[in-house]
Amino acid sequence: NAGVTQTPKFRVLKTGQSMTLLCAQDMNHEYMYWYRQDPGMGLRLIHYSVGEGTTAKGEVPDGYNVSRLKKQNFLLGLESAAPSQTSVYFCASSANRANYGYTFGSGTRLTVV
Amino acid sequence: RKEVEQDPGPFNVPEGATVAFNCTYSNSASQSFFWYRQDCRKEPKLLMSVYSSGNEDGRFTAQLNRASQYISLLIRDSKLSDSATYLCVVNPTSGTYKYIFGTGTRLKVLA
Repeated sequence: NAGVTQTPKFRVLKTGQSMTLLCAQDMNHEYMYWYRQDPGMGLRLIHYSVGEGTTAKGEVPDGYNVSRLKKQNFLLGLESAAPSQTSVYFCASSANRANYGYTFGSGTRLTVV
Repeated sequence: RKEVEQDPGPFNVPEGATVAFNCTYSNSASQSFFWYRQDCRKEPKLLMSVYSSGNEDGRFTAQLNRASQYISLLIRDSKLSDSATYLCVVNPTSGTYKYIFGTGTRLKVLA
């Protein structure tokens, strides 16, 4: 039972470099989300998707792009990394029905130097 | 006012104690409520949903007070393994499932 899988688990980037974080889920969930978690700030929504081929902005979308070409995958891209993007990134998925909680991936710890 | 507010703690309690956390939310139209548990350097995991009539799962009891706009989590007979951060989660609208997460309440259960 894989659930939600995130890759990579750790990454160090230099300012200005780009990278893509991959999220894959095997639960046939319609909804997928990318969050970042910073000390004292809680989880903040970056982007989300309500189905294959759709994406929408969350609370803190600037500096990130996403794509959902396949239902099971949700990619988060950083085109030009900045130190302010140092964070822990969590992907989550859920079914589209009430009282259905999110399932999270194990996270990606990203440091931008 | 934040959409979801929690006391950050830490709550330091001895093993076997009963501890309760509250969480307030600002949107009176909020639809769904949850408690998540997050261990240090791990992902959040669903602990329990919170239903209007209140619900219990073993040593854990969750309650919702719509009139005062808060939810609560009660942990009885605390175990060392209960030490974690407890996140209050609210779905502020129906149909979007964009949940709002509180910043969490840290619990330390002491031997």
